Amino acid sequence: KQEVTQIPAALSVPEGENLVLNCSFTDSAIYNLQWFRQDPGKGLTSLLLIQSSQREQTSGRLNASLDKSSGRSTLYIAASQPGDSATYLCAVKGDYQLIWGAGTKLIIKP
Amino acid sequence: NAGVMQNPRHLVRRRGQEARLRCSPMKGHSHVYWYRQLPEEGLKFMVYLQKENIIDESGMPKERFSAEFPKEGPSILRIQQVVRGDSAAYFCASSPNLDSTYEQYFGPGTRLTVT
Repeated sequence: KQEVTQIPAALSVPEGENLVLNCSFTDSAIYNLQWFRQDPGKGLTSLLLIQSSQREQTSGRLNASLDKSSGRSTLYIAASQPGDSATYLCAVKGDYQLIWGAGTKLIIKP
Repeated sequence: NAGVMQNPRHLVRRRGQEARLRCSPMKGHSHVYWYRQLPEEGLKFMVYLQKENIIDESGMPKERFSAEFPKEGPSILRIQQVVRGDSAAYFCASSPNLDSTYEQYFGPGTRLTVT
C-alpha cells in the first residue's frame, strides 16, 4: 500500500531564503508525482507535474525533482517571498487515484 | 475553456439532512474523481467514475455516501443523513481518459459544514 510522507510538517524561514520541501513514497511504481499549493480555506493550485520518466521540472522560482528508485521528491523554492506562504502538498499517482502527503505548512517571514 | 466546476462552493446542512455536491468536469473529460479533505488532515481518494459507471468506490464510506456520473449532466456526490464528521472540503478532479500519465485537473472544492 502506497504511503506518502512529507517532512517537515511546518517550516518558517525569513524572506529571501532558498528552501527545500521533501516528499517520500513507499512504492516506486508510480506514473507521476505532482506538487500543489493550498492557501488556507482555499482550493488546490497545481505547481508542477513530473512524469515517472522525468527527473525534474521547473517553473519560475520552483524546481521539483523526482528520484523514483529511492522514493523521493523535493520541491526547491528559490528566493522565497511572503506570498509563498501556504501549505504545499505532494501527491503520487498510481493507476488512477492520487495518494497524498499530509503537507508542509510554509511560513515566509517578511 | 472552463475548468472543473463545483457547486455549491459552500454548503451548510443540519445533522440528518442530505447534501448534494455537483461537479462538472472540463470539456472533453469523461473521467471524474472525488477526494475529501477532513479538517487538519490530508486528502483522501473517495471514488472514481466514468460516464454512467462507477469504476472504484473503495475510498467511500459504505453507508450514506453515493456517487453518480450520468450520461448527461454533472457528477453528483450525495451524502444522506449528514453527521458532524462529514464536515470537510470535497474536491472533484477530471481527466480526459484513463491514460495514467494524464494530469487530474481540480475544481475549487465544496466546503460542507454540518451544524
